[in-house]
Amino acid sequence: NAGVTQTPKFRILKIGQSMTLQCAQDMNHNYMYWYRQDPGMGLKLIYYSVGAGITDKGEVPNGYNVSRSTTEDFPLRLELAAPSQTSVYFCASSYQGINTGELFFGEGSRLTVL
Amino acid sequence: GESVGLHLPTLSVQEGDNSIINCAYSNSASDYFIWYKQESGKGPQFIIDIRSNMDKRQGQRVTVLLNKTVKHLSLQIAATQPGDSAVYFCAASSGDKLTFGTGTRLAVRP
Repeated sequence: NAGVTQTPKFRILKIGQSMTLQCAQDMNHNYMYWYRQDPGMGLKLIYYSVGAGITDKGEVPNGYNVSRSTTEDFPLRLELAAPSQTSVYFCASSYQGINTGELFFGEGSRLTVL
Repeated sequence: GESVGLHLPTLSVQEGDNSIINCAYSNSASDYFIWYKQESGKGPQFIIDIRSNMDKRQGQRVTVLLNKTVKHLSLQIAATQPGDSAVYFCAASSGDKLTFGTGTRLAVRP
């Protein structure tokens, strides 16, 4: 079992560029999440999805978009990258909601915007 | 809103000793708590969880204690090993919102 797979692991963007962070899980989990992790800060929820075709904003959604066309995939889109989006991004999934079971995290995607 | 913090940013322990990592939360409505371990360059990994109807839960070499009166939880690691070196996060959940703490780095001295 691969679990949660994120690509790319590292990326450098110029201000104003766009890109998509890919996330796939093979555990047939309904719930998927995108978090960002900044130095000295706790993980912040960007977007989440409770199933295919359904997405919702988290705490810090501005500058990002997501889609959930399949159960397995939950890509995160950055439009017009800004230096404030320099961070490590983690995708996670869970069988049930966050209040009912553990989250399984990917290994992260480190993004630098210059 | 909820805030979750840890008392110490770094904890250094001797190999074989017990480690205690503390966490405080602010929202009395929080009813589910989780500890995660994050090794360098990796994503967080679930260690143990506890619900608010319990005050103690044990796993393999780990114990979580919950004190709802003072809104505090702790993670105890018995016989700390070099492989336990990592950043440890607590998280508190109320409803559908999960708030993560900033993490404590555990360093194990040989």
